[in-house]
Amino acid sequence: DAGVTQSPTHLIKTRGQQVTLRCSPKSGHDTVSWYQQALGQGPQFIFQYYEEEERQRGNFPDRFSGHQFPNYSSELNVNALLLGDSALYLCASRKTGGSSYNEQFFGPGTRLTVL
Amino acid sequence: KNEVEQSPQNLTAQEGEFITINCSYSVGISALHWLQQHPGGGIVSLFMLSSGKKKHGRLIATINIQEKHSSLHITASHPRDSAVYICAVKGGADGLTFGKGTHLIIQP
Repeated sequence: DAGVTQSPTHLIKTRGQQVTLRCSPKSGHDTVSWYQQALGQGPQFIFQYYEEEERQRGNFPDRFSGHQFPNYSSELNVNALLLGDSALYLCASRKTGGSSYNEQFFGPGTRLTVL
Repeated sequence: KNEVEQSPQNLTAQEGEFITINCSYSVGISALHWLQQHPGGGIVSLFMLSSGKKKHGRLIATINIQEKHSSLHITASHPRDSAVYICAVKGGADGLTFGKGTHLIIQP
């Protein structure tokens, strides 16, 4: 099992551009969450996808959007990039279901630099 | 909104020392994670707790639900334990809420 995988590893963009980041969940997982981690800070929750729909969203503008595919993989799209969007973007997956909350597993992250 | 506070923010210790990292949160939760992040950025889940205590190798995590407090202990610390240790809680609907992390350096 490859665990949670993300691509690309690193990415450099300029202000105003658009970016797409990709995540494949751990085998057997159906729920994907995205987090933004600015330098020196803890990660911040962006949104969560389950059954191809956005189920929960953190305090991020509409420039941040996403998608989940039938195979449970997910994309994070950011439009009109700002310098402040430079961060490590983390994807986490878990299996939804049962009576208790199931553990999340994290990917290695995509380092986005906006110039 | 849950506030998650970790202490200390930075910790430097000698190899072999017993390490304790603390986490406090403000609102009741369903689960608490202890995570490890190395300089490359990837996060590894160490523990998920909802009550009591868990042990894995030299790592021990405890949680006191009434006091809204958790601790991560490392016994016989080693330089390879050097990393950022992050506490994250699962409460309401908005995913996980993270602390800012504790930067741990273990010197040989």
